[in-house]
Amino acid sequence: AQSVSQHNHHVILSEAASLELGCNYSYGGTVNLFWYVQYPGQHLQLLLKYFSGDPLVKGIKGFEAEFIKSKFSFNLRKPSVQWSDTAEYFCAVNAAYGGATNKLIFGTGTLLAVQP
Amino acid sequence: EAGVVQSPRYKIIEKKQPVAFWCNPISGHNTLYWYRQNLGQGPELLIRYENEEAVDDSQLPKDRFSAERLKGVDSTLKIQPAELGDSAVYLCASSPRLAGVHETQYFGPGTRLLVL
Repeated sequence: AQSVSQHNHHVILSEAASLELGCNYSYGGTVNLFWYVQYPGQHLQLLLKYFSGDPLVKGIKGFEAEFIKSKFSFNLRKPSVQWSDTAEYFCAVNAAYGGATNKLIFGTGTLLAVQP
Repeated sequence: EAGVVQSPRYKIIEKKQPVAFWCNPISGHNTLYWYRQNLGQGPELLIRYENEEAVDDSQLPKDRFSAERLKGVDSTLKIQPAELGDSAVYLCASSPRLAGVHETQYFGPGTRLLVL
């Protein structure tokens, strides 16, 4: 069965530090990849997505992610975090699964706390 | 554009009681999803609708859970009777196209259920 692994459950950084959150998935076919963010008290919002083309994807608020097919990875990066980036980050994979399409498989999330 | 609307936002019930959640998707979105998010986990799909048809309900515990989307717009998710383990956040999401894998899912704020 498809699965998504996020290796870091909790990350604490100081402002201006660089961020990299790991995401690996298990699926051998074509995938669409997503990072969602959930700010405190708010709903899940799309941060960025990869469907095809350039494996380096740029999203909102200075975030980017790189799809490395050979490593089954889609790590999220930001060169300089801000206090307002404090949130929970979810990696998700959308793979064709039998006759059902558009089934998002989420990782367990990474809680990021940025200290001012 | 209005986002996905869910109500109620919070619900506290005693075990064995029934409970229902309501979702209004983004206007024009044909596909609607219900997810359950347990504490410390990512969302897990319960059921997916394309218009009024449930096309993937493999993860819905059918002994106590039911869902409907009678006119292909609003949807309700019901639990009867609720158990302690049903305490979670129930998320509704919608996406704009049918049966393709390129749609982005947009999430509502969720209903936080506590079963005592």
